[in-house]
Parts: sequence; structure tokens; C-alpha cells
Amino acid sequence: EADIYQTPRYLVIGTGKKITLECSQTMGHDKMYWYQQDPGMELHLIHYSYGVNSTEKGDLSSESTVSRIRTEHFPLTLESARPSHTSQYLCASSGRDRHYNEQFFGPGTRLTVL
Amino acid sequence: AQKVTQAQTEISVVEKEDVTLDCVYETRDTTYYLFWYKQPPSGELVFLIRRNSFDEQNEISGRYSWNFQKSTSSFNFTITASQVVDSAVYFCALSEAVSGYSTLTFGKGTMLLVSP
Repeated sequence: EADIYQTPRYLVIGTGKKITLECSQTMGHDKMYWYQQDPGMELHLIHYSYGVNSTEKGDLSSESTVSRIRTEHFPLTLESARPSHTSQYLCASSGRDRHYNEQFFGPGTRLTVL
Repeated sequence: AQKVTQAQTEISVVEKEDVTLDCVYETRDTTYYLFWYKQPPSGELVFLIRRNSFDEQNEISGRYSWNFQKSTSSFNFTITASQVVDSAVYFCALSEAVSGYSTLTFGKGTMLLVSP
């Protein structure tokens, strides 16, 4: 059973606010990912990390930033939220065990910026 | 570059019908993994299957079956006797397998609607 958590599940905020979306996993996975999913269903990789102090930008340019200070924690921050940031954000992790390259996903955060 | 194509954007069936979701991929790698994920209305992605490029055996799990054909670069997913609970968005994905530094390339997803 995968153990990856995201908080909050739903967030409605006003334009200009700073927000942090939390993602934690208890599986000891070294790799973690953030995806943005638009209403048209398509998943876009926006950030990933191969381990502590490693962060990379994904395929889709994003104004968000991430940090990886601890293996289990991979928060995503928006310094100044805008309506264009309204989307679902999915966090995932993967390890080097028998589930190699299989990504386990959290429940997602549905963000609405007014 | 890797690419995954799910040509069917949306499929509607009536309960108990069989349905096949198509997935065609492109990669220059000789070793790779293919995946299917299910995303129900609740939003999380649920892993269904991973297939190594060296293993072309078809797989069956209950009402689900997968047909991997390397010759046509396809990894199709069939649901037999569909049920309303199968209604979801299904994603096919691909990753390079050799290094530990690959990411998943997802298709755009197929929304399956199963009506009673």
C-alpha cells in the first residue's frame, strides 16, 4: 500500500497570496515528482527530485518552486498565486525496489485562485 | 524523444460491454517500461500494471487484460464486461529503464464512461 500524502486536498485563495502545497511519503523513496493536471486531463511534469538537495524543472514551465531538504518531504510553493495557477496538483514518488520506476501518487490538491 | 499517444479521448459504453483502450508509444530506447494508471473521479492516480519491454506476454488480471505488441509499438488495455465503477480516466505511460534517472512520459488519457 502506497503511503504518500498531500495537504491540503482543496484550497481556494485570492490572487497574490503565497501558498505552499505539502507532499510527504513514508516509503523512503529517493525520487519525487510534481505534476499539474489541467481540466483537459493532461498531466504535465513541472518539478522532480532525485534525492535530498536535488531539484529539476520538468517539461512544463512553472512559476512554482520546490525544495527537498528531507527525503520524505517535497513541498511546492507559489510566491504569488494567480487565476492561471488554478489546477489540480499531483505529487508522486518512486524508489529503487521491485517497483522500479513505478510512481505512487498522492490524492492531489485541487487549487482554485480567485 | 519519447511519446505516448492515446488517440481515444473519450469512450462511452453500456455496462457489460467489452472495451479496449489504445496506447501507441515511440522511443529510441531498447529497454523501457510501459504502465497503465487509472484516475477515478476522486482524483488520485492508481497504478494498474507495469510491463518491461523484454516481456511481451499478455497479462490478465480479473476483468483486465493487456496486449503488448512490440512490432506495432502498442500496449492496449481491455476491460471485459465493463462496470460502472470502471468509469475513470486511464493513462498509458512510458519510461526508459536502464538508468535510475528517467521520468514517466504520459499519454493525454482516455476518459471511459460506463453507463448502467
